[in-house]
Amino acid sequence: SQKIEQNSEALNIQEGKTATLTCNYTNYSPAYLQWYRQDPGRGPVFLLLIRENEKEKRKERLKVTFDTTLKQSLFHITASQPADSATYLCAHPSDGYNKLIFGAGTRLAVHP
Amino acid sequence: DVKVTQSSRYLVKRTGEKVFLECVQDMDHENMFWYRQDPGLGLRLIYFSYDVKMKEKGDIPEGYSVSREKKERFSLILESASTNQTSMYLCASTPGGGASEKLFFGSGTQLSVL
Repeated sequence: SQKIEQNSEALNIQEGKTATLTCNYTNYSPAYLQWYRQDPGRGPVFLLLIRENEKEKRKERLKVTFDTTLKQSLFHITASQPADSATYLCAHPSDGYNKLIFGAGTRLAVHP
Repeated sequence: DVKVTQSSRYLVKRTGEKVFLECVQDMDHENMFWYRQDPGLGLRLIYFSYDVKMKEKGDIPEGYSVSREKKERFSLILESASTNQTSMYLCASTPGGGASEKLFFGSGTQLSVL
């Protein structure tokens, strides 16, 4: 069955650096991928959606790439700030498009 | 902005109790979902609904049921709570069309079953 793999280890970076998070998927290639941010004790919040025909998508300091050959999406936060510290979840539709499948998320910690 | 409201942030229940988790959305969304989230496992879909009085099983429906009597309200029911149902429960909604559109989540209910 389809799986989404995100690095389970926390990513620790220094303020001002670029954070890069990875999302890998198995089996079929989805038509699009979504990224969400989740703060402790809160529900996820939608950030970006990238379609399979879009190599790259940007929103302010966020950039997402989608490589269907590598079966991978990368999520970048440039000029990172302590306020960016959160867990970031990757998701894509199931093959029947009736639900979203989520990765377990990667926790990002940005240190001053 | 869309608001998805879950009735409780924290709940503590005893094994065997019947538990109701309530979710209300205020933007006339067609689709509503219940997920549970456990460390290392990510979000897993329990049940979803495309319309009033309609429900579909997700990936882990065992031990749960749902009710959607009104469009804005989707309830998750634990018929007889067990300790392995201790988890964070998240309700979500989407406007309509494909059920895999971006989700609007509530703040979650952290349920502890003792």
